Amino acid sequence: DSGVTQTPKHLITATGQRVTLRCSPRSGDLSVYWYQQSLDQGLQFLIQYYNGEERAKGNILERFSAQQFPDLHSELNLSSLELGDSALYFCASSPYSSRGAPGTQYFGPGTRLLVL
Amino acid sequence: TQLLEQSPQFLSIQEGENLTVYCNSSSVFSSLQWYRQEPGEGPVLLVTVVTGGEVKKLKRLTFQFGDARKDSSLHITAAQPGDTGLYLCAGGPVNTDKLIFGTGTRLQVFP
Repeated sequence: DSGVTQTPKHLITATGQRVTLRCSPRSGDLSVYWYQQSLDQGLQFLIQYYNGEERAKGNILERFSAQQFPDLHSELNLSSLELGDSALYFCASSPYSSRGAPGTQYFGPGTRLLVL
Repeated sequence: TQLLEQSPQFLSIQEGENLTVYCNSSSVFSSLQWYRQEPGEGPVLLVTVVTGGEVKKLKRLTFQFGDARKDSSLHITAAQPGDTGLYLCAGGPVNTDKLIFGTGTRLQVFP
């Protein structure tokens, strides 16, 4: 158990819908990262927050957005869902954010999203 | 765009065999991490290497960071069924703390 929790574990929805994925980092970790893992694209970095502020952006679509709240939990919002958005979405947390020195990232169990 | 290519993509071997997984890029990374992921779970960090040429050993696993910090390898000696899983390398681009993950190597070790 990494100490990172994600809800829900599974999510089935239809195209065009909007969903929210939730992540609670390990106690004391200030950095939260979101990743998308699909069969054909591997683990893709989406976005990082550090202590409530956006720190880095990866291959995140404009239909997707995220935020980190004062209690450090984070939410990833996916809207206008398409079939191709079906994937595993992972959240990871890390104790700090130090440019040039990525530390250990602790991954949650993931949310499996299926868009029908 | 910084990419990390892993080879082989799939590896199926018998218990007791040795294997090497490669992680290559044309970009320089400040550090290189290796993760292992089992079905239904998130990746778990195995090791971090930060110095060019660095070699780290973790029981039967040996990790090496290339001299130019663009590539890495993972060698497993006498593989066991418990080593089965998806192995991911991840590079830390210079001056950031984000990670770029490799394409992954799926290892299956048969008893």
